[in-house]
Amino acid sequence: QSALTQPPSASGSPGQSVTISCTGTSSDVGSYNYVSWYQQHPGNAPKLLISEVNKRPSGVPDRFSGSKSGNTASLTVSGLQAEDEADYYCSSYGGSDNLLFGGGTKLTVL
Amino acid sequence: EVQLLESGGGLVQPGGSLRLSCAASGFTFNTNAMSWVRQAPGKGLEWVAAIGPTGASMYYADSVKGRFTISRDNSKNTLSLQMDSLRAEDTALYYCAKGWISRGYFDYWGQGVLVTVSS
Repeated sequence: QSALTQPPSASGSPGQSVTISCTGTSSDVGSYNYVSWYQQHPGNAPKLLISEVNKRPSGVPDRFSGSKSGNTASLTVSGLQAEDEADYYCSSYGGSDNLLFGGGTKLTVL
Repeated sequence: EVQLLESGGGLVQPGGSLRLSCAASGFTFNTNAMSWVRQAPGKGLEWVAAIGPTGASMYYADSVKGRFTISRDNSKNTLSLQMDSLRAEDTALYYCAKGWISRGYFDYWGQGVLVTVSS
């Protein structure tokens, strides 16, 4: 199965909101509410931001939110802060004991 | 505090073998599924392999099926990845991650170990 599709880059000014999309197919994103999002700063391991479409683990600010419509999931970062500048990855259960990742989106805070 | 510490990486020639290990602590290891996820230099994340809590169920990405073997030792809280017939395209930072692929997420990750396949 192919990777999920994310825009390579996104940007916004401090305080603004930015939404990153993650497009799959009816066999993965469209079939399961098992979409997650990760934040990765340079040189660091990925950090879980959102699980199961819209659940935030303890400690993740509520500025981060997730949603899904059809075959596309989205991560919204509200009230952008300088420390939000990082790479963001989506993932989805792909069925048949397979997990798919998106290609990643580099978020720049202007 | 959950900790995942990978080891065993290094430089290996194409066609060679390498065994990665991940020492887990801070959670009940034998009730949690585990995975290996890799990231080629400057590239995105790729799920590699997963194993159920007892070790009876193993799953692999098509790119490594037949070449890599995931295993675990619950008596030592250790996850392993035996990598054979290595190729240049296997060069990556390999992460150990805690979670169920059937739930689509990993809640804890190690810091990663680098594997370089080159002659």
